[in-house]
Amino acid sequence: DIVLTQSPALAVSLGQRATISCRASQSVSISRYNLMHWYQQKPGQQPKLLIYRASNLASGIPARFSGSGSGTDFTLTINPVQADDIATYYCQQSRESPDTFGAGTKLELK
Amino acid sequence: QVKLLQSGAALVKPGDSVKMSCKASGYTFTDYIIHWVKQSHGKSLEWIGYINPYSGGTNYNEKFKSKATLTVDKSSSTAYMEFSRLTSEDSAIYYCARAGLTPFGYWGQGVMVTVSS
Repeated sequence: DIVLTQSPALAVSLGQRATISCRASQSVSISRYNLMHWYQQKPGQQPKLLIYRASNLASGIPARFSGSGSGTDFTLTINPVQADDIATYYCQQSRESPDTFGAGTKLELK
Repeated sequence: QVKLLQSGAALVKPGDSVKMSCKASGYTFTDYIIHWVKQSHGKSLEWIGYINPYSGGTNYNEKFKSKATLTVDKSSSTAYMEFSRLTSEDSAIYYCARAGLTPFGYWGQGVMVTVSS
């Protein structure tokens, strides 16, 4: 299975930039498609899709969220961070079955 | 709008089975694959498998192949997951999610399953 590694937590100040990384144990890219996706989850809620195929903003998601990366290294950026963004963020790959998720990065206020 | 409404929480005994549902609305049920995902308390997400409501075809994570059975009822636009031979390790929240042009773009609210004697 492809293992996705995320830092457990990241502390940021409101209005600053947050950069959350995800590293895959092998490439999750096929041709020009980067099969890495990002989700936000708040306590007591289901996950919400933010970014699909590395850099595509999901419907209804604010433009302060963006994604980048290819191969094995991917980044989710939130700029500027707002109070409503305090949550846990998960990366997920769909390059190879089984789909796998990272352990999540908890975004905290500094 | 697209909605996935899951059944209520379940308290079950070790060794028993549980069957949970995921009722879809707001779109053509047979047009999109339904996935199931497990989230143990305070932990990350694990993909269990998916079912194609049109064909009934399934694909399971090897880890859950002997544990989970996915089915659908097209007449009621409902997907089901049965989890068998439950142990304390199966206590978790289980989500259904719809995939399409985007991965897991829509999620149900989750079903909390507690396995306890």
